[in-house]
Amino acid sequence: QQQVKQSPQSLIVQKGGISIINCAYENTAFDYFPWYQQFPGKGPALLIAIRPDVSEKKEGRFTISFNKSAKQFSLHIMDSQPGDSATYFCAASMVNTGGFKTIFGAGTRLFVKA
Amino acid sequence: DSGVTQTPKHLITATGQRVTLRCSPRSGDLSVYWYQQSLDQGLQFLIQYYNGEERAKGNILERFSAQQFPDLHSELNLSSLELGDSALYFCASSVDAGGAGYEQYFGPGTRLTVT
Repeated sequence: QQQVKQSPQSLIVQKGGISIINCAYENTAFDYFPWYQQFPGKGPALLIAIRPDVSEKKEGRFTISFNKSAKQFSLHIMDSQPGDSATYFCAASMVNTGGFKTIFGAGTRLFVKA
Repeated sequence: DSGVTQTPKHLITATGQRVTLRCSPRSGDLSVYWYQQSLDQGLQFLIQYYNGEERAKGNILERFSAQQFPDLHSELNLSSLELGDSALYFCASSVDAGGAGYEQYFGPGTRLTVT
């Protein structure tokens, strides 16, 4: 019930194309859904995040779509660029016993072909 | 640069040994989180401290412990090390315990190799 399932495991997209990564969760206590981008040898960096009272959030080329009833959310990267090649993690967070717990998906390796 | 610093960058040690990883949060952040990233387990939440107090616990082994000091830096202690403890250990920080300041900022990590 604490899992966050992420797909696909890897993704190859042409430059200028749309990259789509999907995640699903079970526990309805999660109330914050961030996406992180990680380059090799670096720590994850927060990309964009959404709360369940919003169905979509857009920041530049990055959009999160959120379906509360289906317990699914996805990241869309428009006009994908070679510089977007990285590993992307979805996550789900909740406040729990006075603290804050985050469960990460397994990650998606994105490669954007020039 | 996230503003979170971690030392050392790399650590190589033998099985059975004990190591300490150090993290300094971003200026103004009161919460520190520790994560373990390995190839087979992905990114796993270990523990959270807020202003010196333990606030949330994840999949942290009993051989591992952490603390947050009055200056807000944190240390993760790993003892009786096993080969399977080889991983990247990340520290993250946020403004508070999980209210308004949900955003977590990750440090560059410490790569631990147990031989």
